[in-house]
Amino acid sequence: ETGVTQTPRHLVMGMTNKKSLKCEQHLGHNAMYWYKQSAKKPLELMFVYNFKEQTENNSVPSRFSPECPNSSHLFLHLHTLQPEDSALYLCASSQDLVSTFGSGTRLTVV
Amino acid sequence: EDQVTQSPEALRLQEGESSSLNCSYTVSGLRGLFWYRQDPGKGPEFLFTLYSAGEEKEKERLKATLTKKESFLHITAPKPEDSATYLCAVTGTASKLTFGTGTRLQVTL
Repeated sequence: ETGVTQTPRHLVMGMTNKKSLKCEQHLGHNAMYWYKQSAKKPLELMFVYNFKEQTENNSVPSRFSPECPNSSHLFLHLHTLQPEDSALYLCASSQDLVSTFGSGTRLTVV
Repeated sequence: EDQVTQSPEALRLQEGESSSLNCSYTVSGLRGLFWYRQDPGKGPEFLFTLYSAGEEKEKERLKATLTKKESFLHITAPKPEDSATYLCAVTGTASKLTFGTGTRLQVTL
């Protein structure tokens, strides 16, 4: 496989559930990102990892917890989410300035 | 704080009807301006990077230009397969991408 792969593609979860989103990149990039995309809003950067170290956390609520075990894998652990957290969650990786995005996970919180 | 504003929000063109999308930006220390295409249910797909005012890049029916305050994405003789949302983003000295809300383009026969 090439590029950035995200699983699952769709996820429906209750507000009391715990779930995880997974991202894997096969590009040899050093940086990985989580973005949130909501309707009629710009992509919002959530977390940045460089060489497995978190370098940015854009004031994201603690119910979102990232994990980067190595430079190819990125997880987003979710717990006690709210309905307003329903959105498309995109993972991206980059080596220089250009980011390559995965297809996203469409999350619905019920 | 870096900002990106895209217009129009939505654009409907007939096949072959050329037009331009606008991206106005403010950024501290521009390192790059990016255009991405996003199809429904998919992640953004990279199109172009522009680094300095006066620079132009072309790919098939698309041409991107850059000034010190804005960028244009010109679409020449569009086809229905060009229908998508086009996103503009900038990165500056803060080294993070700031996106606009996009222009939804629909090209009809």
